[in-house]
Amino acid sequence: EVQLVESGGGLVQPGGSLRLSCEASGFTFDDYGMHWVRQAPGKGLEWVSGIAWNSATTDYAPTVKGRFIVSRDNAKNILYLQMDSLRPEDTAFYYCAKDISSTMTTPGYWGQGTLVTVSS
Amino acid sequence: IVMTQSPHSLAVTPGEPASFSCTSSHILLHEHNGFDYLDWYLQKPGQSPQLLIYLGTHRAAGVPDRFRGGGSGTQFTLTISRVEAEDVGVYYCMQDLETPTFGQGTKLEIK
Repeated sequence: EVQLVESGGGLVQPGGSLRLSCEASGFTFDDYGMHWVRQAPGKGLEWVSGIAWNSATTDYAPTVKGRFIVSRDNAKNILYLQMDSLRPEDTAFYYCAKDISSTMTTPGYWGQGTLVTVSS
Repeated sequence: IVMTQSPHSLAVTPGEPASFSCTSSHILLHEHNGFDYLDWYLQKPGQSPQLLIYLGTHRAAGVPDRFRGGGSGTQFTLTISRVEAEDVGVYYCMQDLETPTFGQGTKLEIK
């Protein structure tokens, strides 16, 4: 059974940093691209970042480009999102998602999410 | 690419059909493989989103055949042939031809 467990969320002050992790199990992690998608409380979905199976390709939403970095450790089956220069508008549930293929095209299976709150 | 969904919300009687519309600001047809890079997701209350349809018309694994994706170019639809109570939630379209973007969602309620 596919499992994606996000962690690392919490309360952080504006301008601060946080690193999210997503532990994957139940599938061959390095066969699939991975994504981060966020959802502000009560709002819609916003794609944040993606990474191909071999980390050769990454992509970011314009709203986070230059502040967030996605990475993965295929030996540990973990996806990361390093978030720097955080802003109040980054407050959201952050979901990790497994692509349906080795690229970073379509988030196919989603974790339960971790909440990030940016506030002073 | 801007994705626009309509209607904002929909109330349907169980057993009746439901239709969701999604319009893209750019053509979503991939020039090399002929697929439209348009997906549909359902987020049930209190749950994470789940993939229903990818590449415009392909049902994801485990999705009932009452869900059908259609359309091409910039105009897409998701149709539920006979709505069931478990189908309530918010339906989102997403383009992944370029850096992915979601529509604002359509909320489905049961009458």
